[in-house]
Amino acid sequence: EPEVTQTPSHQVTQMGQEVILRCVPISNHLYFYWYRQILGQKVEFLVSFYNNEISEKSEIFDDQFSVERPDGSNFTLKIRSTKLEDSAMYFCASSEHSNTEAFFGQGTRLTVV
Amino acid sequence: AQSVTQPDIHITVSEGASLELRCNYSYGATPYLFWYVQSPGQGLQLLLKYFSGDTLVQGIKGFEAEFKRSQSSFNLRKPSVHWSDAAEYFCAVAVLSGGYNKLIFGAGTRLAVHP
Repeated sequence: EPEVTQTPSHQVTQMGQEVILRCVPISNHLYFYWYRQILGQKVEFLVSFYNNEISEKSEIFDDQFSVERPDGSNFTLKIRSTKLEDSAMYFCASSEHSNTEAFFGQGTRLTVV
Repeated sequence: AQSVTQPDIHITVSEGASLELRCNYSYGATPYLFWYVQSPGQGLQLLLKYFSGDTLVQGIKGFEAEFKRSQSSFNLRKPSVHWSDAAEYFCAVAVLSGGYNKLIFGAGTRLAVHP
């Protein structure tokens, strides 16, 4: 069964460093998303992406965040200068159409120290 | 504003007992509703979804949910819980924004199962 894959599963980084979280969406999907879950809190929408551009972003998604689809298969989230409060589980998701269900990856746990 | 409320933060049931997890949503239009399950250290797995049609939807692992528009609810049920059902359950509503769906999640209900 096709699935969304995320790498790495866990990343530890020092405050101020840049990190790139990687995702491979399901191959025939066209809509891509990043969500975040701070430990013990609810899952929050960060950004949606379609046709090589951001379609919507939340207020969490400030200038330190960026997304990119560098090739036909990968979808990345870059955090330019990490802060302690960026520590969270980051989920990538994809959907075939704008109004169909999103399938989530296993997540990348980011720890900023 | 759109929101999802899961009133029960933590529920404990005995194995074999029935289960109902509550979910209420606030959304002006016809909602797309979902239940996801998250096992410890794992990602979000879709249990079931409601888009339209029959208000009682069946999902994986023996779960079902009923959409009640009059109560703005989408409660999740299972007639007989198994120990492997212990996990966190998230209700979500898809909000159509700029032509694209984004999910608004509830805070989750953590289910513990006693043997």
